[in-house]
Amino acid sequence: GQQLNQSPQSMFIQEGEDVSMNCTSSSIFNTWLWYKQDPGEGPVLLIALYKAGELTSNGRLTAQFGITRKDSFLNISASIPSDVGIYFCAGQDNQFYFGTGTSLTVIP
Amino acid sequence: ETGVTQTPRHLVMGMTNKKSLKCEQHLGHNAMYWYKQSAKKPLELMFVYSLEERVENNSVPSRFSPECPNSSHLFLHLHTLQPEDSALYLCASSLRTGTSGNTIYFGEGSWLTVV
Repeated sequence: GQQLNQSPQSMFIQEGEDVSMNCTSSSIFNTWLWYKQDPGEGPVLLIALYKAGELTSNGRLTAQFGITRKDSFLNISASIPSDVGIYFCAGQDNQFYFGTGTSLTVIP
Repeated sequence: ETGVTQTPRHLVMGMTNKKSLKCEQHLGHNAMYWYKQSAKKPLELMFVYSLEERVENNSVPSRFSPECPNSSHLFLHLHTLQPEDSALYLCASSLRTGTSGNTIYFGEGSWLTVV
């Protein structure tokens, strides 16, 4: 099946810094979703995007649905220690496809 | 609380055991999914049910047997598993399958260890 390219694979940042990560695909999606997964837990939905160009915020998180419909971006502003975890994207045409995740470590 | 509840959260079983994973969704969704999550790999889709009918079986070995008695409940029956089946098994639901504008919600996962 289709794979999403998610980058970076891991990030180590200082508390207070901003974070950016992205996902790209080789084909067009109608929906982009971003999730956070803590160790031993299931993924929790952060932001859902349904329209090309859409920019949506959820607190310190902002995600965008790329104009080409082949990419999406997630930004986290002013990171805090509880932002630690694995973030991954999902795209949907008729089925869901998932990225391999970005592991975020926040150093206090 | 995502509206999708999985039990048990942790399971250790021998290769000759038979056990089941249970999932319940309280979101009024019509589609339910089983995914397998192994370290360093993307989520692997196992089964999809839409209105209690299996619509996808992603070449999963027969030692995994799903059951969907109604649109709110999904089971994964396990028998004669192998150590390489040890993973986090995630249940998920969405309003429907196969259309855009859909959002998928996951349960907390069931950690399975096969010894």
